[in-house]
Amino acid sequence: KAGVTQTPRYLIKTRGQQVTLSCSPISGHRSVSWYQQTPGQGLQFLFEYFSETQRNKGNFPGRFSGRQFSNSRSEMNVSTLELGDSALYLCASSLVRTDEQFFGPGTRLTVL
Amino acid sequence: AQSVTQLGSHVSVSEGALVLLRCNYSSSVPPYLFWYVQYPNQGLQLLLKYTTGATLVKGINGFEAEFKKSETSFHLTKPSAHMSDAAEYFCAVTNNYGQNFVFGPGTRLSVLP
Repeated sequence: KAGVTQTPRYLIKTRGQQVTLSCSPISGHRSVSWYQQTPGQGLQFLFEYFSETQRNKGNFPGRFSGRQFSNSRSEMNVSTLELGDSALYLCASSLVRTDEQFFGPGTRLTVL
Repeated sequence: AQSVTQLGSHVSVSEGALVLLRCNYSSSVPPYLFWYVQYPNQGLQLLLKYTTGATLVKGINGFEAEFKKSETSFHLTKPSAHMSDAAEYFCAVTNNYGQNFVFGPGTRLSVLP
C-alpha cells in the first residue's frame, strides 16, 4: 500500500507570495492533519480534516488555510508569505481520528 | 488541554548502553500515547502506541514504553542502543474525544561508538 505522499518536496518562494502544498493520504484514510516543523518551535499542529470538514485548528494566523477533497486528498495554502514561514510542512493521515498517524516525507518551504 | 513534556532535548548514550527517553503528559481525560522517530530529512515513523489495556507496550526496533498513570509518564526504553537508533524522538498525546495530536518538543538521541 502506498504511503502518504506530499508534493512538492522542496519549494522556494519570496516574501509576499502565496503557496499551495498537496498531500495524498494512504488509500482509505479519511483523516488528514498538517503540521509545521521548525528548529525553534518544534512540531506545531496546523489543522485536521476529516471527511472534507475541518475538525481542529491550531493557533496559526488566517494566512494558513486548508481544504480536503472528496477523495481525502488535502491541500494547504499559505498566503502573503513571511520569512518565518520557512519550515518543513508535514502531512499525516489516519484511518480514524484517534488512530496512529502516518506521516509523509514533508515539503520543505524556504521563504526568501 | 493536553500537553507533553520531554526531559532532555539531547541525550547521548554509548553503543550497547540502555536508552531512556522521558515523556510526561497532561490530560484531563484518558490519554492515547505515542512515540515517533524522525530520521534526518524524513517524516515521522511510529515506534509504538498505548491506547488501552496492557501498560507495557512493545514497539519496533526493540523499543518499549510503559504507561504509568500515577506518574503521568510514558518513558521510552531500549536495553541496548545501536548506532542506527540515532534520530529525533517525539512523544505525542491524543484521546478518544476528538482532540488533535499534541507532540512534545522532541529529544535528539546520539549514539556514541
